[in-house]
Amino acid sequence: AQSVTQLDSHVSVSEGTPVLLRCNYSSSYSPSLFWYVQHPNKGLQLLLKYTSAATLVKGINGFEAEFKKSETSFHLTKPSAHMSDAAEYFCVVTGSGGYQKVTFGTGTKLQVIP
Amino acid sequence: DSGVTQTPKHLITATGQRVTLRCSPRSGDLSVYWYQQSLDQGLQFLIQYYNGEERAKGNILERFSAQQFPDLHSELNLSSLELGDSALYFCARSCMLTEAFFGQGTRLTVV
Repeated sequence: AQSVTQLDSHVSVSEGTPVLLRCNYSSSYSPSLFWYVQHPNKGLQLLLKYTSAATLVKGINGFEAEFKKSETSFHLTKPSAHMSDAAEYFCVVTGSGGYQKVTFGTGTKLQVIP
Repeated sequence: DSGVTQTPKHLITATGQRVTLRCSPRSGDLSVYWYQQSLDQGLQFLIQYYNGEERAKGNILERFSAQQFPDLHSELNLSSLELGDSALYFCARSCMLTEAFFGQGTRLTVV
């Protein structure tokens, strides 16, 4: 069985300050982990992915995430928030079966205050 | 741009009706996955097809069905629609097990 928990449903930061979106997972397999972003009325865009290579993963738009097996976490960070980062972010875990065993988190809405 | 095209972008229909949502492939994509995103249920996996055959089923209602055609495009058929079926429906395509590319979604509103 696998699951993913996004610890915050809403996060609010000021422009130019760091962003931290938290994700914890559980998986019976060696998981692949992803972060997707969804802007209002848009589809899902892949930000970054971890697939058992380097534990610190760099993604698009300055985002990065660190896979910590001991903490079963895959938190998403960005040093400095931009207004365009306001969106909903989904943490996703897949097992060895590929995407048919994909589990989405419930999402974190990021608000960026000017 | 994910290269995955979903049509229509928006659909408004009445309860009891039937609709068909379409997902068009990127070149080389053999797999297609359908997801439903609703306010109360979040993102849910519905069904996967691979090269024309059903590969996995998630939380898909019996009123819903899908197909993948020889040209690899896929259709999701929703029948006897209910108000609760109002949602954003995504398809995702992948030619690798470690990544998927999502379409922009079809927003279905049942009135």
